[in-house]
Parts: sequence; structure tokens; C-alpha cells
Amino acid sequence: SAVISQKPSRDICQRGTSLTIQCQVDSQVTMMFWYRQQPGQSLTLIATANQGSEATYESGFVIDKFPISRPNLTFSTLTVSNMSPEDSSIYLCSARWGLEAFFGQGTRLTVV
Amino acid sequence: QKEVEQNSGPLSVPEGAIASLNCTYSDRGSQSFFWYRQYSGKSPELIMSIYSNGDKEDGRFTAQLNKASQYVSLLIRDSQPSDSATYLCAVNGPNTGNQFYFGTGTSLTVIP
Repeated sequence: SAVISQKPSRDICQRGTSLTIQCQVDSQVTMMFWYRQQPGQSLTLIATANQGSEATYESGFVIDKFPISRPNLTFSTLTVSNMSPEDSSIYLCSARWGLEAFFGQGTRLTVV
Repeated sequence: QKEVEQNSGPLSVPEGAIASLNCTYSDRGSQSFFWYRQYSGKSPELIMSIYSNGDKEDGRFTAQLNKASQYVSLLIRDSQPSDSATYLCAVNGPNTGNQFYFGTGTSLTVIP
């Protein structure tokens, strides 16, 4: 199966700061996705990152808060900006090959 | 109405028994169906995909799809303690665009 490397795996950040999460895949892919998973909850899609175009954000998520880059077909970043404790969550990168989607290891973010 | 619904459980089965996990979806146009396993503190791992009505078997796992009734299930035969995890159902189709809709997951505990 595909390899998706995500880092950092966890971080503790001060409120008001920003954190950039990186996601690297081992083979080219058109679509990459960023999810958030609150404790005990399911996955919520933040945005779809397409190479060469602006990311598409889901309702409730805005580019100023979660800017995304997609410079090539194997890499994407998600920045969580101006963090507050409510941003504490697990952030997951996902990529889709064919009909199937796979996930990175996740980033456990704690904002204090 | 949620797009994908699962019984949150927890579901407990003795070791060696069959675990049955169920999922219903609302979009009749859905075409692709997936089961992910998520261990505590880990990211979701794709274990089964199914696209046609009927059964699909892979080792101890069997996915069952009934599009007329809009449900998909996962059977785990000879359950092992290592199967203890949360199982997420995901659905995709032309009406959902690129997005996978995830259920809230069913927590399974296999008792030795």
C-alpha cells in the first residue's frame, strides 16, 4: 500500500502561534486531503488540496485559519494559524489513489 | 440525517467469535464503500473496500453490501484481541464529489 509520511507526529504549542504540518507521499497523487479528528469523534474534512490550484475548503473552515500549500504531486502542508485551545485535535493527511484513500500517521496537536 | 451512520457500540465479543459491524448511508447514489480500522492513538487503516452488491472476503474479514437497503457491513471471523479497535465506515460516490463521508465508528473489544 501507499506510504504517507506526516510530521510532526505531535506538538504542544502556545496559543496565538502557528504550526505547519507536512505530508509527503511516496508516489504522485492528484488529490490530497486534510482532516481533523476530535477525541472520540469521526473525521471531519477540512479541505482538498489539488496541485496547481487553490485548496477547496469545507464549510466551517477558512483559508486564513488553515492555509494549505500543494507545491507538487507528492507534498502538501497544512498550517493551523493563530491557534487557540479549541484547535487541539488530531490532524490527518490523506491521499487517494484510484478509488481508495489512505492516511498519514496523524499529528496530535495540543494548544496551551 | 447523517450521511453515514454506525452503531457507536461499544461492541464486545469473545475471542474466536464473529464480530458484526453495520453501517447505513443516506445517499442512494453512493458507489464506493470502505471499512477502516483505527487503533487508539493511531490513524485509520484501510482494511476493506467494496463496490458491488454481495460479499467480498479477505482473510478473516468479509464485507457485505446491499445497495437496495443502503447498508454495508463488516464481519470479522475468529475475532482476536488484536482486532480490538474502532471501525470506521466510509462512503463515496458521484454525489459526494471527492469527499469520503465517514461514520462515527464502532468500538470493538475482543475479550480473551
